[in-house]
Amino acid sequence: EPEVTQTPSHQVTQMGQEVILRCVPISNHLYFYWYRQILGQKVEFLVSFYNNEISEKSEIFDDQFSVERPDGSNFTLKIRSTKLEDSAMYFCASSTQRGQETQYFGPGTRLLVL
Amino acid sequence: GEDVEQSLFLSVREGDSSVINCTYTDSSSTYLYWYKQEPGAGLQLLTYIFSNMDMKQDQRLTVLLNKKDKHLSLRIADTQTGDSAIYFCAERRDYGQNFVFGPGTRLSVLP
Repeated sequence: EPEVTQTPSHQVTQMGQEVILRCVPISNHLYFYWYRQILGQKVEFLVSFYNNEISEKSEIFDDQFSVERPDGSNFTLKIRSTKLEDSAMYFCASSTQRGQETQYFGPGTRLLVL
Repeated sequence: GEDVEQSLFLSVREGDSSVINCTYTDSSSTYLYWYKQEPGAGLQLLTYIFSNMDMKQDQRLTVLLNKKDKHLSLRIADTQTGDSAIYFCAERRDYGQNFVFGPGTRLSVLP
């Protein structure tokens, strides 16, 4: 069964460093998402992406964050200058189209900022 | 309120039924979802229900939806130790593209 994959599974970085989290959505999906889950807290929406542009974003997704689909398969989340509070599990998700019944989530990347 | 709410903990004995409850917020929510998260793992879609349905059954899982009270429940029949996980209720509001998740219910299955 097709699935969303994410790399790396874990990343440790120093505060102020840039990180790029990578996702490979399901191949026929057109909508892509990033969510995050701070340890012990809710899963929170960050951004959705369609047709090579951001279609919706939350308050969390400030200027430190950016997303890109650099080729036909990868979808990346970049954090330019990481802060301690960026430590979280980051989930990528994809769906076939807007209004489609569900989003399929990847296994997550656990980011630890020291 | 603005939040999707769930009780945080539930313990059941193996073989019993588990019922996990959720209260959502937006009457225009189109789809409501249950996701399972095992320790250290990602979010696994369990089931979903469209807002014009009252009930959906899928093997050991039964979802009940009360639109009047904005209440969603997930019943797991014959709960097994492998069902121990955190269960998240989520709603998709008004054809928006993002999901709003509840805090999750940690289900513990006792032998």
